Amino acid sequence: LAKTTQPISMDSYEGQEVNITCSHNNIATNDYITWYQQFPSQGPRFIIQGYKTKVTNEVASLFIPADRKSSTLSLPRVSLSDTAVYYCLVGPYAGNMLTFGGGTRLMVKP
Amino acid sequence: EPEVTQTPSHQVTQMGQEVILRCVPISNHLYFYWYRQILGQKVEFLVSFYNNEISEKSEIFDDQFSVERPDGSNFTLKIRSTKLEDSAMYFCASSEEQNNYGYTFGSGTRLTVV
Repeated sequence: LAKTTQPISMDSYEGQEVNITCSHNNIATNDYITWYQQFPSQGPRFIIQGYKTKVTNEVASLFIPADRKSSTLSLPRVSLSDTAVYYCLVGPYAGNMLTFGGGTRLMVKP
Repeated sequence: EPEVTQTPSHQVTQMGQEVILRCVPISNHLYFYWYRQILGQKVEFLVSFYNNEISEKSEIFDDQFSVERPDGSNFTLKIRSTKLEDSAMYFCASSEEQNNYGYTFGSGTRLTVV
């Protein structure tokens, strides 16, 4: 599985847009990029998945440049409830397991 | 929105005792998983389960661990003889397809071994 690197922590304020970048230099051709969110004492929650270019859903956008060696999760107008750990995962679409890294701890302040 | 339900939310047990953690996956899901997270550490894969057998397991999932789907709705994780280092949050997850993503996780069981 491709190794991912993300900032350990980020701070933001309510109403701001937050961009969390993940580096995955050795991504394979058949790898997808997926982001999960985890609140304290809860299980991870799937946010978004993409392969290339841009993907948007009701929660976030995912930007993937042409070389796919990095990706950026964009959270529009964050609120206090977006305070969580955000994990970037890279791997094949089909498989039996997820490999989580350390994630990015996002703190949203009032 | 369908949920994965785990019980109990918190279990305290003495070292050496057996524990069974229970999970009710989403009803139409066919793939089931257990993960654990030691306090302050990463979420770690334990085991995946499909068609009444283990599909894949990690090095953590040794002979002390077992999984079972005793009926059409429950999915259990048994730890035969608990150790202090088994203290962690244990998360059950399920998915409809064998895609590697889009899992639904439960809220977890906090296991404390004393």
